[in-house]
Amino acid sequence: DAGVIQSPRHEVTEMGQEVTLRCKPISGHNSLFWYRQTMMRGLELLIYFNNNVPIDDSGMPEDRFSAKMPNASFSTLKIQPSEPRDSAVYFCASSPARAIAGVRYEQYFGPGTRLTVT
Amino acid sequence: GQNIDQPTEMTATEGAIVQINCTYQTSGFNGLFWYQQHAGEAPTFLSYNVLDGLEEKGRFSSFLSRSKGYSYLLLKELQMKDSASYLCAVLHGSSNTGKLIFGQGTTLQVKP
Repeated sequence: DAGVIQSPRHEVTEMGQEVTLRCKPISGHNSLFWYRQTMMRGLELLIYFNNNVPIDDSGMPEDRFSAKMPNASFSTLKIQPSEPRDSAVYFCASSPARAIAGVRYEQYFGPGTRLTVT
Repeated sequence: GQNIDQPTEMTATEGAIVQINCTYQTSGFNGLFWYQQHAGEAPTFLSYNVLDGLEEKGRFSSFLSRSKGYSYLLLKELQMKDSASYLCAVLHGSSNTGKLIFGQGTTLQVKP
């Protein structure tokens, strides 16, 4: 398996521009998570989906952030308009459903997207 | 609310043993994870504890006490490649799935 795939790996944009981050979870995983990591705040959960449905978006900073999961193999995180304080590494992770017997519930992280907003 | 505490930094010598502690206060506890993260890379899974006690996995062991809200990660026979950040995370949720709440991480530096 290729693991969780994220694109782009690096993104540099100017303040005010729209940014779209993409994620392809591991095939067969039911849950997908978007995280943001900064030195100051550590690893923060932004939103997670279960079976393509958003379950908890309480970590989304504000209305400028939105996330979608149109199907089981693709998700996007969009920031519009972007601001310098959004600069961070954004990770996508996926995991199998907990109810599957014998399958350990752990999250597999993608390589991340390093976003710089100038 | 959720609160997870772990030391910010630790230093140890190659070949030695180091213990990284994690304390937590959270509702809806469903297990505790330890992840390793090398600089510039993604977190990778190390261990999972849901019952009290010690889980051993090669050079790494993890301990959990649910009544005390306490866990530790024990690294034996330290190697230079063990220099990384170690993240404690609590699995929160009572449904079919759940979310991980991460601590700030402990940066471990292994010296020759």
